[in-house]
Amino acid sequence: AQSVAQPEDQVNVAEGNPLTVKCTYSVSGNPYLFWYVQYPNRGLQFLLKYITGDNLVKGSYGFEAEFNKSQTSFHLKKPSALVSDSALYFCAVTLGAAGNKLTFGGGTRVLVKP
Amino acid sequence: SAVISQKPSRDICQRGTSLTIQCQVDSQVTMMFWYRQQPGQSLTLIATANQGSEATYESGFVIDKFPISRPNLTFSTLTVSNMSPEDSSIYLCSVEPTGMGYNEQFFGPGTRLTVL
Repeated sequence: AQSVAQPEDQVNVAEGNPLTVKCTYSVSGNPYLFWYVQYPNRGLQFLLKYITGDNLVKGSYGFEAEFNKSQTSFHLKKPSALVSDSALYFCAVTLGAAGNKLTFGGGTRVLVKP
Repeated sequence: SAVISQKPSRDICQRGTSLTIQCQVDSQVTMMFWYRQQPGQSLTLIATANQGSEATYESGFVIDKFPISRPNLTFSTLTVSNMSPEDSSIYLCSVEPTGMGYNEQFFGPGTRLTVL
């Protein structure tokens, strides 16, 4: 079985400050990890993924995430948050075989205050 | 990447009725997925719909309640049958264009369903 935990329901940060959204996972194999963002009344947008290679991956809108195998974590980070980053963020994992399902975390709501 | 559209974008339905949601992709894809996002919650996979085969349903979801069609490589439908207020959710379709299973999925805008 595979699972994803996002321990924080909401993260509040002031504009210009660093933003971190936490994610830990549990899989019986090598994980493929993803971050998605959902703006109000919109579908999910892909931000970034880890498949293999460098543990630090860079994605859209200045976001990056670090894969840490020993801690089974894949935290999302942005050095300087913008008010427009306020949204719902989802971490997801799959084992990657063709047809293997994507399992999502519970989501973290980010509120960036001016 | 892939561009996905869904119809309808939202609907309000009476209990006991059925609604069919359409998902159209701008390119041919093997793997299509249907998810449910209940109010304030995360996404839960309903089923995987591959062209030319029966849909594969996740635990807790059955074909009689959520029949799926996949007539070709660019289109799929999900029907929510005999609806109850507990079916009020956002329903999203997604595709994994490479068919490899480990690349990102692209999501449609969702269908917001309210059952009275």
